[in-house]
Amino acid sequence: GAVVSQHPSRVICKSGTSVKIECRSLDFQATTMFWYRQFPKQSLMLMATSNEGSKATYEQGVEKDKFLINHASLTLSTLTVTSAHPEDSSFYICSASMATGAPNYGYTFGSGTRLTVV
Amino acid sequence: DQQVKQNSPSLSVQEGRISILNCDYTNSMFDYFLWYKKYPAEGPTFLISISSIKDKNEDGRFTVFLNKSAKHLSLHIVPSQPGDSAVYFCAASGGSNYKLTFGKGTLLTVNP
Repeated sequence: GAVVSQHPSRVICKSGTSVKIECRSLDFQATTMFWYRQFPKQSLMLMATSNEGSKATYEQGVEKDKFLINHASLTLSTLTVTSAHPEDSSFYICSASMATGAPNYGYTFGSGTRLTVV
Repeated sequence: DQQVKQNSPSLSVQEGRISILNCDYTNSMFDYFLWYKKYPAEGPTFLISISSIKDKNEDGRFTVFLNKSAKHLSLHIVPSQPGDSAVYFCAASGGSNYKLTFGKGTLLTVNP
């Protein structure tokens, strides 16, 4: 089946530094990737949608200059949290889809990244 | 404004019995609904889905029921097994927007 690999699984960084999270589709080409964040006991909140070769579409309230998303190939999307602050500490999850045009809800999720900013 | 609601944060059932997880939604544009299972520190795993043109979809021990008039869906797991213990998320999508809107999840605990 479709597999999405997300790295790192855990990262601790100092306040003010940047952290890059990678999301790879291992056995399929992901035309669309989604980035979510989840706070404790909360739902997964969509941050942005990225399509290969084009700029990401950010959800309302998500700072695009702070959460840089790059989807340079059909198998890799990266999320960079720039100038991280303690309030950015959260669980970040990516998902990938082969969807092109017509709805395809074969979203496969990565295993998530626990970011702690100290 | 929470468009997908899972009002029960937790549910505990005995092994072998039925687990019923509920989900309500408010957005009339939603026409596709999914259930995901999630273990701590892992990403969600797809379980089962249902389109708004159906009122029931079954896959092994998992059945999802959709009541469009009540904007309510439920996931039935029978018989429940200890390995089913996890957080279950209800998600919805609709229109030309393929984005998923998630509920807050329900922690299911199946006791041996």
